[in-house]
Amino acid sequence: SAVISQKPSRDICQRGTSLTIQCQVDSQVTMMFWYRQQPGQSLTLIATANQGSEATYESGFVIDKFPISRPNLTFSTLTVSNMSPEDSSIYLCSVEESAYNEQFFGPGTRLTVL
Amino acid sequence: SQQGEEDPQALSIQEGENATMNCSYKTSINNLQWYRQNSGRGLVHLILIRSNEREKHSGRLRVTLDTSKKSSSLLITASRAADTASYFCATGEKIKAAGNKLTFGGGTRVLVKP
Repeated sequence: SAVISQKPSRDICQRGTSLTIQCQVDSQVTMMFWYRQQPGQSLTLIATANQGSEATYESGFVIDKFPISRPNLTFSTLTVSNMSPEDSSIYLCSVEESAYNEQFFGPGTRLTVL
Repeated sequence: SQQGEEDPQALSIQEGENATMNCSYKTSINNLQWYRQNSGRGLVHLILIRSNEREKHSGRLRVTLDTSKKSSSLLITASRAADTASYFCATGEKIKAAGNKLTFGGGTRVLVKP
């Protein structure tokens, strides 16, 4: 399976600031996904990132708040903009292995906003 | 809103016993995947079952899928203390560009007592 890394692994930020999370995969993948897991909750899909096109956002998530870049087939970034304490969550990226449709997740970025 | 609901929300068993958790969903799916998460860390992919499959095994794991009832179950046999974790089902819906969009259930917290 693909090996996925995320940076940073955790961060504590002040409200009103922005944080960019990086996701790196060890092989080329078509689709990358970004999820949010709020404290004690399940995962919710933020957006789907296809290389060379605009990300597709789920209901309740907007590009101004969560801009995404996908410059190549092994890398993506998610920015959490103008943060508030409600943005405190674990943010995870995932990739799908096209042959079997299994989706694998990175280790996550734990964000705390004060 | 979440596609899947998991039952029970929490489960406490003795080492050596079997653990069964269920997942129900609402719409048509392409596949269903089960994941394990230890203490808010990354998700570990356990097993994928396609919509045209009824049962799959992997080691001590057995997954069933009943598309007529829109439900799936995960059975962990001969549980170990190391199986203590949260378990999530995620339904995969095919998306236009490529790949599957996952919608997660609420999760089952499993405690295996030594």
